[in-house]
This record gives sequence, structure tokens and C-alpha cells, in this order.
Amino acid sequence: AQSVSQHNHHVILSEAASLELGCNYSYGGTVNLFWYVQYPGQHLQLLLKYFSGDPLVKGIKGFEAEFIKSKFSFNLRKPSVQWSDTAEYFCAVTPYGNNRLAFGKGNQVVVIP
Amino acid sequence: DGGITQSPKYLFRKEGQNVTLSCEQNLNHDAMYWYRQDPGQGLRLIYYSQIVNDFQKGDIAEGYSVSREKKESFPLTVTSAQKNPTAFYLCASSIDPRAAGNQPQHFGDGTRLSIL
Repeated sequence: AQSVSQHNHHVILSEAASLELGCNYSYGGTVNLFWYVQYPGQHLQLLLKYFSGDPLVKGIKGFEAEFIKSKFSFNLRKPSVQWSDTAEYFCAVTPYGNNRLAFGKGNQVVVIP
Repeated sequence: DGGITQSPKYLFRKEGQNVTLSCEQNLNHDAMYWYRQDPGQGLRLIYYSQIVNDFQKGDIAEGYSVSREKKESFPLTVTSAQKNPTAFYLCASSIDPRAAGNQPQHFGDGTRLSIL
């Protein structure tokens, strides 16, 4: 079964700082990759996804992620965070054609105004 | 608006009682899922169903049961056999990946279950 690793569970940074959250997975075949975000008091929602094609994908609210197949990584980035980016971020992976998502443990991000 | 409705939002039960969590979707999705979310643990898959009258165990199915009699509904029963049932439970749905390739899952607002 695939597994997903997210490091630095708690991240605290100031507004306008850059954010990068690491995601590594273990699965040798073709995968689909997702980043989900959970804002305080809200439901989990899709931030961005990678299925195929350009390994640099852009999502909502200025987020982007880069799929590096050789490193089994799908890191999330935002050049300049805002207070409203305070949330928990989850990386998820599934083998192609199988929707059994494996989630990482999440990154709790707090942006200080 | 289309979406996933989980009810109730908060649920309290005495130890030893079975409890059923509701999940309804009007997105016309074939596949539905149940996850458990614990602090610092991420989401773990309990059960999933890709079509009516069919469901499969996820990674932590012990102590849980489900049914899928209707496309719109996928209730989860937390039985007395579940050793540590207090958690946040999330339901999700998606287009059947076997028909359309992988599709993002849409999530409900969750049910927070507390065992007294």
C-alpha cells in the first residue's frame, strides 16, 4: 500500500513569507497526487491536483506544486502567504484508476499578521 | 447546491452503544468513502463503495460497518467493538474512477463523535 510523508507538522510564519510544504510518497507505479486544505471550521477542499502532463501545477489562491517523479515528491509552494492561509494542509496520493487515497498526516500552518 | 451532507455535526454516545453516522450526497457520484481524522494522524480510510450494493474495507475497518442501498446514501455504523471511537469522521464522494480515471473527492463537513 502507498504511504505519504509530510514533515514539519507545525509551521508558523509571518505574512508575506514564502511557504513550502514537503510531500513524499512511496509507490512505484503511476500515481495521481492531490493537496487538500482545511480552513478552520470548514470542510476539506481541493487545493490542486496532478494527473499527468506539466509537472508544475497551479491551484487556487496562488498555490502551486511540483511533481518530481525521480524524488517521489509533490511539494506545495506559495511565494507570499496571507493571514487567510492559516489552515491545515494535506497531501494525498492514489494509484491511477484506484481512488483509495492515502493521506499524509498534515501540516498545520499558522500565518501571523 | 450540490454537495455532501453529514449529520449530525456532533454526536455523543455512551460506551458500548452502536451509533450510525449519516452521509448523503446529491452530486450523482458513484463512489463514496468514509475517513477517520485524528489529530496529527491525517485521514485514514475506513470503508469505501464504488457502486450501490458493493463496498470494500479500507485501512482501519475493524469495529465499523457500512451499507450502500442507495446511490445517495452511505451510512457508517460505529460498533461497540471499535476500541477508540472518539474521533472526527469525514464522508467523501467522487465520480467512479474506474469509468473516468481518478477524480478528486468531495468532502462533507464531518461528524465529531464523542464516547462518554
